[in-house]
Amino acid sequence: DGGITQSPKYLFRKEGQNVTLSCEQNLNHDAMYWYRQDPGQGLRLIYYSQIVNDFQKGDIAEGYSVSREKKESFPLTVTSAQKNPTAFYLCASSPGALNYGYTFGSGTRLTVV
Amino acid sequence: GENVEQHPSTLSVQEGDSAVIKCTYSDSASNYFPWYKQELGKRPQLIIDIRSNVGEKKDQRIAVTLNKTAKHFSLHITETQPEDSAVYFCAASLNTGNQFYFGTGTSLTVIP
Repeated sequence: DGGITQSPKYLFRKEGQNVTLSCEQNLNHDAMYWYRQDPGQGLRLIYYSQIVNDFQKGDIAEGYSVSREKKESFPLTVTSAQKNPTAFYLCASSPGALNYGYTFGSGTRLTVV
Repeated sequence: GENVEQHPSTLSVQEGDSAVIKCTYSDSASNYFPWYKQELGKRPQLIIDIRSNVGEKKDQRIAVTLNKTAKHFSLHITETQPEDSAVYFCAASLNTGNQFYFGTGTSLTVIP
């Protein structure tokens, strides 16, 4: 489905729990990204990774963690330190060269219950 | 860092009319400007993009214009159809990397 797969589509988390969102791509893209989407706020960058075993904080990294052990995978963990985690999370990838458009996953909707 | 502003936040047009969405950016080093369309419940899809060495680009009913001096770029949709109804995001990419900065989105409704 477009070469980049996010799972699960819907996720419910109890307060105080950590949860991990999966993002896998088979596009051989070097760069991967996590965005958070809230109504009226557009897409905000959480973390990004340009190569394996390296990642950088985005604008709203607090309360989140990532890993990039494989080129194909870039999981995002929403920790209990994230005070308002209910949102739609989008993963994206790009070839990594300058100025290429993203390919987005289909998203995960996380709800705290 | 880069700051991208997008207007309007909502836009309603009659089927067949044109729609225009405008974005401004703050960093003159930005040189790549994609536009994404996100239908309800779906992922954003790239619909058109423009690079800083070009002033205008067209693809059928969609066009994008770029004014580097004023640091703004616009999406133009002509002969709108109900299937154009979606949220549209503009973005800007800095010359130093592939990180994108997104606008806040425009919810376009095409009224049949």
